[in-house]
Amino acid sequence: DIQMTQSPSTLSASVGDRVTITCRASQSISNRLAWYQQKPGKAPELLISQASTLQSGVPSRFSGSGTGTEFTLTITSLQPDDFATYFCQQYNTYWTFGQGTKVEIK
Amino acid sequence: EVQLVESGGDLAKPGESLRLSCAASGFLFRTVWMNWVRQAPGKGLEWVAHIKKESDGMTTDYAAPVKGRFIISRDDSKNMLYLQMNGLKAEDTAVYYCTWNYYGWEKNWGQGTLVTVSS
Repeated sequence: DIQMTQSPSTLSASVGDRVTITCRASQSISNRLAWYQQKPGKAPELLISQASTLQSGVPSRFSGSGTGTEFTLTITSLQPDDFATYFCQQYNTYWTFGQGTKVEIK
Repeated sequence: EVQLVESGGDLAKPGESLRLSCAASGFLFRTVWMNWVRQAPGKGLEWVAHIKKESDGMTTDYAAPVKGRFIISRDDSKNMLYLQMNGLKAEDTAVYYCTWNYYGWEKNWGQGTLVTVSS
């Protein structure tokens, strides 16, 4: 099984901050990685697929990068609507999610 | 507009069965792959089951914790996805989401249905 490890688990930040979340795979997954945002009581929403392809309607302050085993999600200027939990997911071999990163207000 | 609406979540005792349903609309359901993904209270996301479209053999896959107990199926004539859950355990307690699995990633999610397993 492919394990996905996200860091940090919690991130305290202020509006306007640049935020980076890391996701590591236990083996190479090429670019088969997606990022999701989840707000309390809601279903996750797709932000990025194929490691770096921004979904339609997702603000350009979100970006993804990486290949192989190490990936990052960056929010260039954190907005109030961005305080949420973020999950990575590999879809190279079945599907596995990272444990999530909660972005909270500092 | 794509819509996925789950139903069937309930309180069940250990060992009992439940059947979840997911009504799909706004896209050509019979041409897509589908997943069930669950989230235990306060926890992360866990893939549960997968079903391919009919032209790909409608083959299924299951996560290890549910293999042999859960069955995923679909009725393309009704645009419906199902998850038959047998031999429920306390650790199956979660919100269950149906998702449109698009080239591997979860393109759309339903709102979820809560399954609670407790004596």
